Amino acid sequence: EIVLTQSPATLSLSPGERATLSCRASQSVASYLAWYQQKPGQPPRLLIYDASKRAIGIPARFSGSGSGTDFSLTISSLEPEDFAVYYCQQRTNWLTFGGGTRVEI
Amino acid sequence: EVQLLESGGGLVQPGGSLRLSCAASGFTFSSFAMTWVRQAPGKGLEWVSSISNTGGSTYYADSVKGRFTISRDISKNTVFLQMNSLRDDDSAVYYCAKGLEGLRVLDYSDYWGQGTLVTVSS
Repeated sequence: EIVLTQSPATLSLSPGERATLSCRASQSVASYLAWYQQKPGQPPRLLIYDASKRAIGIPARFSGSGSGTDFSLTISSLEPEDFAVYYCQQRTNWLTFGGGTRVEI
Repeated sequence: EVQLLESGGGLVQPGGSLRLSCAASGFTFSSFAMTWVRQAPGKGLEWVSSISNTGGSTYYADSVKGRFTISRDISKNTVFLQMNSLRDDDSAVYYCAKGLEGLRVLDYSDYWGQGTLVTVSS
């Protein structure tokens, strides 16, 4: 099983600041990694897939990068609605999710 | 508009069974794989099971293999999750999700339902 480790667990920032979230895989997942956003009481929302492709309707302030074992999700300038929990997911070997990063004010 | 509506959750005793349903609309159901993902209260996401667009291929997480069965009825645009021998640690919100790329079974999920809560407790 491929283990995804997300860091930090919690990121405390203010609106307008830049957020950089990390996801590290226990073995290479090539570029087969996605990022999801989840707000309280809501299902996850697909943001990024294949490491860097934005899903339909996702604002340009969200960007993804990386390949192999190290990946990043960057939010260039935080909007109030971006404070949420973010998960990475790989599809190279079965499906696994990271433990999540909470972005809080 | 893509919609996924889960139902069938509830309170069940350990060792019991439950059948979840997910009614899909707004897309060509027979062209996309479907997946169940669960989330225990206050915890992260856990993949449970996926099924191919035709229903001919199914995959399960080790934690549910041999106890859960995924299936789909294309005529009813519905995917099911039969859960047997339920344990306390199966308690979670169960989400139904649509595959992004259609024929790929183990795939990212671009649309999700609101989830149905399963509580296993005596």
